[in-house]
Amino acid sequence: AQSVTQLGSHVSVSEGALVLLRCNYSSSVPPYLFWYVQYPNQGLQLLLKYTSAATLVKGINGFEAEFKKSETSFHLTKPSAHMSDAAEYFCAVSEADSWGKLQFGAGTQVVVTP
Amino acid sequence: DAGVTQSPTHLIKTRGQQVTLRCSPKSGHDTVSWYQQALGQGPQFIFQYYEEEERQRGNFPDRFSGHQFPNYSSELNVNALLLGDSALYLCASSSLYLGTEHEQFFGPGTRLTVL
Repeated sequence: AQSVTQLGSHVSVSEGALVLLRCNYSSSVPPYLFWYVQYPNQGLQLLLKYTSAATLVKGINGFEAEFKKSETSFHLTKPSAHMSDAAEYFCAVSEADSWGKLQFGAGTQVVVTP
Repeated sequence: DAGVTQSPTHLIKTRGQQVTLRCSPKSGHDTVSWYQQALGQGPQFIFQYYEEEERQRGNFPDRFSGHQFPNYSSELNVNALLLGDSALYLCASSSLYLGTEHEQFFGPGTRLTVL
């Protein structure tokens, strides 16, 4: 069974600093990988997805993530944090034959300080 | 283009009661999945409906059941509510027909509180 681990439940960054959120997965074959963002009292918004094309994936709001098969990782980065980036971020995976069934990590809460 | 919509927004029930939550998928989508998100946790997959049938199911008891209608909308029913069922219930839709089955769009959720 696949699983997703997000390292760090809370991350605090200064405005303008690099944002780095870590995600590792366990799967027998490279899965489909996603990053979602959730603002307070809202649903989930897709930031970006990896579907076996380019290993460096660019998403919305300046975020990008790199798929590293050898490390079974899919870390999310943004070069310069903005106050509006304060939210909870979830890494998720699904397998090719289980489309529509996402396995989520526990989430990382991002706080941006002025 | 309307996204995924869910109703109601909030709901308060007492233990032992039954509840029905509703979801309308994004226009053009044919598949609906339901997730439970407890406070401070990531969403947990409950089940998925495609062609009006339950296609996949997560590790949830039979108290959780669902339905998909011919217009692709869906309901989630929970019987004999427990305090632990208090959570945000999220609906997500995707499209096998359009080949975007792995990209799920989420609704705003229904906040269920069980007292």
